[in-house]
Amino acid sequence: EPEVTQTPSHQVTQMGQEVILRCVPISNHLYFYWYRQILGQKVEFLVSFYNNEISEKSEIFDDQFSVERPDGSNFTLKIRSTKLEDSAMYFCASSPGRGNQPQHFGDGTRLSIL
Amino acid sequence: GESVGLHLPTLSVQEGDNSIINCAYSNSASDYFIWYKQESGKGPQFIIDIRSNMDKRQGQRVTVLLNKTVKHLSLQIAATQPGDSAVYFCAENIGRGGADGLTFGKGTHLIIQP
Repeated sequence: EPEVTQTPSHQVTQMGQEVILRCVPISNHLYFYWYRQILGQKVEFLVSFYNNEISEKSEIFDDQFSVERPDGSNFTLKIRSTKLEDSAMYFCASSPGRGNQPQHFGDGTRLSIL
Repeated sequence: GESVGLHLPTLSVQEGDNSIINCAYSNSASDYFIWYKQESGKGPQFIIDIRSNMDKRQGQRVTVLLNKTVKHLSLQIAATQPGDSAVYFCAENIGRGGADGLTFGKGTHLIIQP
């Protein structure tokens, strides 16, 4: 069964550094998403992406964050000048098309900011 | 405030029994709902979805019920198995027809007792 893959599984970074989290969505999916989950809390929406541009973003997704689809398979989340409170699990998801269709999640990248 | 929430943080049931996990939502504009299962160290795994024009939808051993009058969603798992032990999240989508971010509830930890 096709799945969303994310790398790395764990990223440890010094505060103030930049990180790039990588995702390979399911190949025939057109919509891509990033979510985060702070330890013990619920999953929170960050951003959605379609047709090479941001479709929707939450208030969490400020100027510190950016997304990119650099080629036909990867979807990345960049966090500039990381802060301690950026420590969380970051999940990538993808869905097939327009309208209400299930989003399929990867197993996440655990980001630890020291 | 939260748009989606859960009534019980932990639910313990005997193996083989049926379980019911509940979810309340507050946004009457939501028209698509998903249940996800999250095992330790993994991303949310799609279980079943339902659109607002339906009251009930059945899958394999799972049933989702939607009561729009009281804005309530439930997940029924029949004949629970040890592998059903996980955190279960409901999520909603306002469904503006595009790449919409999901709003997740806090999660219910389902424990299957042997």
